[in-house]
Order: sequence, then structure tokens, then C-alpha cells
Amino acid sequence: SQQGEEDPQALSIQEGENATMNCSYKTSINNLQWYRQNSGRGLVHLILIRSNEREKHSGRLRVTLDTSKKSSSLLITASRAADTASYFCATVNTGGFKTIFGAGTRLFVKA
Amino acid sequence: DARVTQTPRHKVTEMGQEVTMRCQPILGHNTVFWYRQTMMQGLELLAYFRNRAPLDDSGMPKDRFSAEMPDATLATLKIQPSEPRDSAVYFCASGLSQSAKNIQYFGAGTRLSVL
Repeated sequence: SQQGEEDPQALSIQEGENATMNCSYKTSINNLQWYRQNSGRGLVHLILIRSNEREKHSGRLRVTLDTSKKSSSLLITASRAADTASYFCATVNTGGFKTIFGAGTRLFVKA
Repeated sequence: DARVTQTPRHKVTEMGQEVTMRCQPILGHNTVFWYRQTMMQGLELLAYFRNRAPLDDSGMPKDRFSAEMPDATLATLKIQPSEPRDSAVYFCASGLSQSAKNIQYFGAGTRLSVL
């Protein structure tokens, strides 16, 4: 079974709008990461948030983490057509090196 | 520009044939991961190595799949014999265990079609 479960499964928005994706997980984590995958390509690391952090920013990306609820969210502000891709959350368990990816959210940004 | 290199990019084969996929991790990285991605199952971890030693291959069907790292610059994933249900995109990723972050750098994948 997968550790991270994203929702929504798919999201369609207009360029300029904000996109929010959520991720829930089941066990204790060392950190949580978000990756992006363009069609036909490999995953690319976007941002990492440690278990003792609550919020992280990188450019137009904002990630929050609530360890009490075992959930995270990724916000992309002022979206662009080029943000169209699948976004995956990935958790790294405490004491281990194993990373488990969620099922992903497919984001479509209409120009 | 350091990147993970996977070959071949595409492979079409017939059921029963052996398939070998290769991965060159980023120079200096000491962990290698193999994933399989399908629409139905998403991204599944098949195996991972640290310092060329296999740490976990519990996600890999043992009867037909095998993963090795003959040296630090090459990882291989073999399927013998291949079956139509093995059709998927196979990704290799590498990283640095010392960073304690486990950020992974992915190759472009091998798209496998078994007829």
C-alpha cells in the first residue's frame, strides 16, 4: 500500500490561479518531499520539508506539514501553463532511507 | 550537467524474451533506486542499493526480476522471461545517503512494451 495519498487526483485551473494539492501519509517520517513529473519524463525534486518544520517556501511554491494530522499541502501560486504536470508527494520514514511515493495529482493549467 | 542516464529509452519485445535495462547513476551518488510506473499501480519501488549492496528488493517479483550493480557506475534491471504485464515505464534514480534527505534524481525512464 502506498504511504502518501494525494488529493485531488486531478485539478484543472486557469492560468494565474493558485493550485493546492494535498497529501496524507500513515507512519512517522523523517521528511516529506514533493516532486513534479512532466509527461514522458522522470520525476524532478521540487521541495523538501523536514518533520520538525511546519512551512517552507521556494519561489512560487509553498509547502505545509502537519505531523499531528499526517498531512501536507503544496500550493503553487500564480500558476502558469508550464506548471501543467503530475505532482507527487514522497515520504522518507524515520530511521530508514526508503522513500514511498503517492499516486500523484495531475494538474492542468489552461492558458 | 550531472544526470542519471537510462538505456534504452524504449524497448519493444515479445513475451518470453529477456530484457535488460541499464542505468548510470550520477557520479558520486551512492544510492540507486529502481521504480516501475503504470497507470494502474502508480510508482512502485522495485529495489534499492546503497554502496552497491542491495538493501531492499521486496517490491520486485523474485522469480523473473533481478537487479544488480556490477560497479558504481552501472545498475542493471533484468526481466527473464518477460510477460505482457511487465509493460510499464521503468525509472532509475540515484542519491546521496550521507545527505540524510534522500533526495532522488531520476532518469528519463525506459518504456517497455511486452507483446
